[in-house]
Amino acid sequence: DAGVTQSPTHLIKTRGQQVTLRCSPKSGHDTVSWYQQALGQGPQFIFQYYEEEERQRGNFPDRFSGHQFPNYSSELNVNALLLGDSALYLCASSLEGLASDTQYFGPGTRLTVL
Amino acid sequence: AQSVTQLDSQVPVFEEAPVELRCNYSSSVSVYLFWYVQYPNQGLQLLLKYLSGSTLVKGINGFEAEFNKSQTSFHLRKPSVHISDTAEYFCAVKAQKLVFGQGTRLTINP
Repeated sequence: DAGVTQSPTHLIKTRGQQVTLRCSPKSGHDTVSWYQQALGQGPQFIFQYYEEEERQRGNFPDRFSGHQFPNYSSELNVNALLLGDSALYLCASSLEGLASDTQYFGPGTRLTVL
Repeated sequence: AQSVTQLDSQVPVFEEAPVELRCNYSSSVSVYLFWYVQYPNQGLQLLLKYLSGSTLVKGINGFEAEFNKSQTSFHLRKPSVHISDTAEYFCAVKAQKLVFGQGTRLTINP
């Protein structure tokens, strides 16, 4: 049973560029959440996708956008990259219908903005 | 809105000693409580969770946590730590969304 997978593992971009990160949820899960974890900090919630729509959003600017596909996989897009966007981006999947349901995390994508 | 405070940013302990990692939370609604562990260069792994029922929750790797509603705390404990427990530990609360604390770095000294 495959867990949550993310690609790429590492990414280096320059300021002003755009980036797309990808996530495949755990088998049987239909909800995907994205988090940003800056160095030495806890993860911060970016947004959550369910049924191909953004359902909840944290305090992140519109430069951060996402998409969910019919197979439940998801993408996170960040436009006009800033140095402060350098972080570990984590994807988590869960099963809709249970607020108590556990989120399972992928290994993350390390984004470095130069 | 919910918030989580992990009272210690770093906790050094000797191998085979007991450890407690402290977590306090704030919320105006009922929440679910979680502890996650993050090993170097890895994602987050669930240690344990409190949803309802018994306030003492047992998790993986010998960890346990106790939910204290009156003190709004959810402290994590292990009676005897091993070198392999060296990692970053995150407390989290969930109402609508998952909110994490800043993390506690647990360092085990031989």
